Amino acid sequence: EAGVAQSPRYKIIEKRQSVAFWCNPISGHATLYWYQQILGQGPKLLIQFQNNGVVDDSQLPKDRFSAERLKGVDSTLKIQPAKLEDSAVYLCASSLEAGVNSPLHFGNGTRLTVT
Amino acid sequence: AQSVTQLGSHVSVSEGALVLLRCNYSSSVPPYLFWYVQYPNQGLQLLLKYTSAATLVKGINGFEAEFKKSETSFHLTKPSAHMSDAAEYFCAVSEPGNQFYFGTGTSLTVIP
Repeated sequence: EAGVAQSPRYKIIEKRQSVAFWCNPISGHATLYWYQQILGQGPKLLIQFQNNGVVDDSQLPKDRFSAERLKGVDSTLKIQPAKLEDSAVYLCASSLEAGVNSPLHFGNGTRLTVT
Repeated sequence: AQSVTQLGSHVSVSEGALVLLRCNYSSSVPPYLFWYVQYPNQGLQLLLKYTSAATLVKGINGFEAEFKKSETSFHLTKPSAHMSDAAEYFCAVSEPGNQFYFGTGTSLTVIP
């Protein structure tokens, strides 16, 4: 099966600019996640979607981050305006269902550098 | 809330030696536990998962992990390290609602 697709792979922007990331999950996967992985740390959940509804966005900095999954398939994550501390890898993952033992399948991530 | 602690941010082993990566969790209910591997510039790949069946779980690439409730541990092992095992390893725990919590990771170096 095709994996989770993410684009772009790399992005360099200046602080206060805006940026958007795209994710296409594995076909049929109802649950989609965006994680932020800062260098040397484990992934931190930003937002979780179940189909096109938000399940958990408690750790999403809503003053600057937004995400949508309009048709319950692909998703976009936006940052506006970006800060230096947003430099990280943004990982998209999907799972078949929202059960506790449904493993996550990750894309290769987008590496964001904010200068 | 559940949490995961990975002891040792960096582990070095010689090629052919035993690999042991430690993971301890905190949970008030039986957890589901996972190990993921991340190669440079790639996303995370599932190595294995524990879902309350057998306590010894076998995964891909010769890795296995044993769930020990009394020690709240889920350590990852491999009898003989290979150069291709060099990567970052993450332990994760999930709770109802499918919220995954990841540890901070252990970087494995394999010395030829």
